[in-house]
Parts: sequence; structure tokens; C-alpha cells
Amino acid sequence: AQSVAQPEDQVNVAEGNPLTVKCTYSVSGNPYLFWYVQYPNRGLQFLLKYITGDNLVKGSYGFEAEFNKSQTSFHLKKPSALVSDSALYFCAVRNLSSNTGKLIFGQGTTLQVKP
Amino acid sequence: SAVISQKPSRDICQRGTSLTIQCQVDSQVTMMFWYRQQPGQSLTLIATANQGSEATYESGFVIDKFPISRPNLTFSTLTVSNMSPEDSSIYLCSVDDRGHEQYFGPGTRLTVT
Repeated sequence: AQSVAQPEDQVNVAEGNPLTVKCTYSVSGNPYLFWYVQYPNRGLQFLLKYITGDNLVKGSYGFEAEFNKSQTSFHLKKPSALVSDSALYFCAVRNLSSNTGKLIFGQGTTLQVKP
Repeated sequence: SAVISQKPSRDICQRGTSLTIQCQVDSQVTMMFWYRQQPGQSLTLIATANQGSEATYESGFVIDKFPISRPNLTFSTLTVSNMSPEDSSIYLCSVDDRGHEQYFGPGTRLTVT
């Protein structure tokens, strides 16, 4: 069965410091991997995706993520955090072998960036 | 990317009643999805809304409780029937962009009293 794990309920960082939000996945076959962000009382916003190619993908708002096939991980990173980055972050996976388009989401990680 | 709107943005309903949520997209899309996000939880797929045929429901979700319509390639509705407080959630629709990512509407925040 497909699954996504975000091992940290909350990540706290100081503004200006680098941040990492962790994600590991389990799928049969090759995955499509995604990161979304949800601000309070807002829908989900797409940040970035890994489909194929370079393991380091860059996305919106200065975020990037590194795909590691051997560790089945897709951690979200940003070199310098902003207070405005504080939000709820979701990792998601889609199985390439499935034609349904179904996304499986992790449980979410709250990022708190303090001034 | 597609622009998605949902109506209503929020509602407070009494138990036993039904609410229909609308999802409108500004372009034609093949796949539309309905998700539920219970308080403090992640997103769970309810069903895939198929144009011209019945929706495909995920395990634990049934058509009698969550009937879905998809009359064309830009519009879908989700009805939450015979509501109970356990149905209090945010309901989101999404569309599958050809770039493989999904784009989400702003959500409908439902409170059942």
C-alpha cells in the first residue's frame, strides 16, 4: 500500500536559519512527489514536484526539495526561513502505475518561524 | 494553472440536513477530485468526479452519503447528506493539471451542530 510519512508534527526555526521538513514515502514503482503549503483558512497551494530527472527540484517562494530514491525521502528545504513561511506543509505522493490521479498525503508538519 | 472556486466558503448546518458544495474551474479539466480535511487532520480523498459517468469512491465513502455530480468539464458538486457533527470538516475540490500536480480550491468549511 502507498503511504507518506512526515515524522515531525512541528518544526521550529529562527528567521534566517535554514529549514528542513522531512518526508518519506512508500510506493510500488516510481512515484510522483509533491509538496503543498496550507496557510490558515486557505486552501492548499502547490509548491513543487519531482517527476523525473535532477534529484534537487526548486519551487515557489525559494523552497526546494531533494529526492533520494535509496532512502525513499523527499525532504523540503529552504536556505533562509522567513516568518511568513509559517504554515502547515503537506508532502504527497502519486503512484505512476495508477491511472486514478489519486494523491496520498502525509499527516502534515506545522512550520513555525520565529523572528 | 487552473483557477478554482468553491461555494459556499463556509456554512453552519443542523444535523440531519444536507449541503451541496459547488466547484467551478476556469478551464476544462479531465479529472476532478473531492477531499475531506477533518479538524487538525490531513486530506483524505472522498472520490474522483468523472464527467459523464458515476463518481469513483474511495474506501469508507459511499454514494448515498456523498453524492457527486459532474455535468461538464468545468463544474462539479459534492453533497454531504444527512449530516452529523462528525461531518464537520473542510471539503476541498481539486483538478489534475496536465503537469501532474493537482490544484486545489479554497475549500468549504462545514460545521454541523
